[in-house]
Amino acid sequence: KQEVTQIPAALSVPEGENLVLNCSFTDSAIYNLQWFRQDPGKGLTSLLLIQSSQREQTSGRLNASLDKSSGRSTLYIAASQPGDSATYLCAPRGSGYALNFGKGTSLLVTP
Amino acid sequence: DAGVTQSPTHLIKTRGQQVTLRCSPISGHKSVSWYQQVLGQGPQFIFQYYEKEERGRGNFPDRFSARQFPNYSSELNVNALLLGDSALYLCASSLDAGVSNQPQHFGDGTRLSIL
Repeated sequence: KQEVTQIPAALSVPEGENLVLNCSFTDSAIYNLQWFRQDPGKGLTSLLLIQSSQREQTSGRLNASLDKSSGRSTLYIAASQPGDSATYLCAPRGSGYALNFGKGTSLLVTP
Repeated sequence: DAGVTQSPTHLIKTRGQQVTLRCSPISGHKSVSWYQQVLGQGPQFIFQYYEKEERGRGNFPDRFSARQFPNYSSELNVNALLLGDSALYLCASSLDAGVSNQPQHFGDGTRLSIL
């Protein structure tokens, strides 16, 4: 059974800082990994999808990396803004179709 | 284009009742999945449907069932509701059953409260 851990559980940073969110997973046999953001009481917004053959994926100020063999992924957010405040979830997908989620990292960016 | 739409947005039920939640996928998407998110936890996979057939099932009791219609919309049914069923129920859609590595897109969910 795939176990997903996200560190830190919560993070508070001043506006403008660059930050890194960490995700580790126990089963390296994955097809891809998605990063999502979730605003309070809302659904999930897909940020990035990294295929198992890729090492990095970038979208604007976001960069996600994947080291499948070590079971790790990181989400790098450059020049953070208050609007980035949300919970960030990583979800590797194995041979089935289900996404396996961690508990997420709750991010607060203060003005 | 409209994203994944779910209805209702909020629902209050009592223990023992039955509930039906609805999901319309993004236009052109043929796969629908359901997830349960309890407060403070990540979403847990319940079902996946593709072309009206069940393709995957998570570790949930038989009180949970689902179906997919010819227009690819889907319903999730939960019978004999328990207090522990209180959660945000999320629907996700994708182009196919996962062969092409396409992302899954989520709706805003249905907040179910059991009294």
